[in-house]
Amino acid sequence: DGGITQSPKYLFRKEGQNVTLSCEQNLNHDAMYWYRQDPGQGLRLIYYSQIVNDFQKGDIAEGYSVSREKKESFPLTVTSAQKNPTAFYLCASSIALGDEQYFGPGTRLTVT
Amino acid sequence: DQQVKQNSPSLSVQEGRISILNCDYTNSMFDYFLWYKKYPAEGPTFLISISSIKDKNEDGRFTVFLNKSAKHLSLHIVPSQPGDSAVYFCAASLVYSGGGADGLTFGKGTHLIIQP
Repeated sequence: DGGITQSPKYLFRKEGQNVTLSCEQNLNHDAMYWYRQDPGQGLRLIYYSQIVNDFQKGDIAEGYSVSREKKESFPLTVTSAQKNPTAFYLCASSIALGDEQYFGPGTRLTVT
Repeated sequence: DQQVKQNSPSLSVQEGRISILNCDYTNSMFDYFLWYKKYPAEGPTFLISISSIKDKNEDGRFTVFLNKSAKHLSLHIVPSQPGDSAVYFCAASLVYSGGGADGLTFGKGTHLIIQP
């Protein structure tokens, strides 16, 4: 089955720890994205990648980092510098930048 | 500054009737618009899209209308069904003059509730 997987579905961390969220796609899409969703908010773009070994900051990149070493994978690290890390994180991919995006199931991160 | 606005946080419609979800945008450079449907604790799923060269796109029960001069688009669902109850996000894509584009800009969503 082609699709996007995010793991784990729920993640708990202590404040001050870095945590990495996984995102894998087997759709052969070039572009990948990370969004966060907070209650009452739309999806806000954190980082995106047009192609392997390239990525760009989105609207709210501070406190986050990404890598794109493989086409299929776009992990997101939430660092201790992120002031409000508790949120629902969504990964997406598209054939090319600007095309309709296909989303993974999301990871709910809770930092206490 | 919110570039894509969905001014109705929620909308309640009776089953069988038409649901109309509205979306306004401020950036005239947006040229591709999409609607996503989202259930709680799941990722959004793509529903329907429209390019700025069109004013209407239809797919089954779903129709999207685009009014470029008013910077307004709407999603019509007819007839509405109980399974349509979800949060609907409007999104827009910005194409730079160089031909590239970044991620989509999403509205805050409208929670559609279909009542039996």
